[in-house]
Amino acid sequence: NAGVTQTPKFQVLKTGQSMTLQCAQDMNHNSMYWYRQDPGMGLRLIYYSASEGTTDKGEVPNGYNVSRLNKREFSLRLESAAPSQTSVYFCASGGNNEQFFGPGTRLTVL
Amino acid sequence: GQQLNQSPQSMFIQEGEDVSMNCTSSSIFNTWLWYKQDPGEGPVLLIALYKAGELTSNGRLTAQFGITRKDSFLNISASIPSDVGIYFCAGRFGGSNYKLTFGKGTLLTVNP
Repeated sequence: NAGVTQTPKFQVLKTGQSMTLQCAQDMNHNSMYWYRQDPGMGLRLIYYSASEGTTDKGEVPNGYNVSRLNKREFSLRLESAAPSQTSVYFCASGGNNEQFFGPGTRLTVL
Repeated sequence: GQQLNQSPQSMFIQEGEDVSMNCTSSSIFNTWLWYKQDPGEGPVLLIALYKAGELTSNGRLTAQFGITRKDSFLNISASIPSDVGIYFCAGRFGGSNYKLTFGKGTLLTVNP
């Protein structure tokens, strides 16, 4: 089992460009999550999907959209990237309690 | 929103020493989780706790779910260099709709 996989691992964008971060899990989990991690800020929830077909905003959703494509896949889209979105992005999946994280995508917006 | 206070923020210890870190919350939690994050990697789940008073071990790691349900601690015994990393606590309170609240982490450095 690969667990939670994320692509790409690294990305550099110019301000105003768009991109989609991909996430997939093979653990048959219902819930999936997107976090961003910034120095001194810990992990902050951007969006989550409690089950296939549903998505909800987390703590810092502005500037992002998500799609729960199927049970396995949950993507995060930046429509018009801004320097404030420079961060490390983690996808996670889980059941009622535990969450398991992917390796992260390091995004720099110039 | 819910707040988790994790302390200490950082620790510098010698190899072989024991380590203790803790988290306290302003609300009652139903679940406490402890994660470790190595540089350049995603957080990895170390221990999960589900009942007040529960004490669980994973090798040299021991964690407890506080009786008040508002705190948890993690102990690492006989530290080794590969224990270096950031340790996060996370909790879930009733009605949180599958969401976790995370502490800001404890950065552990082990001097060989």
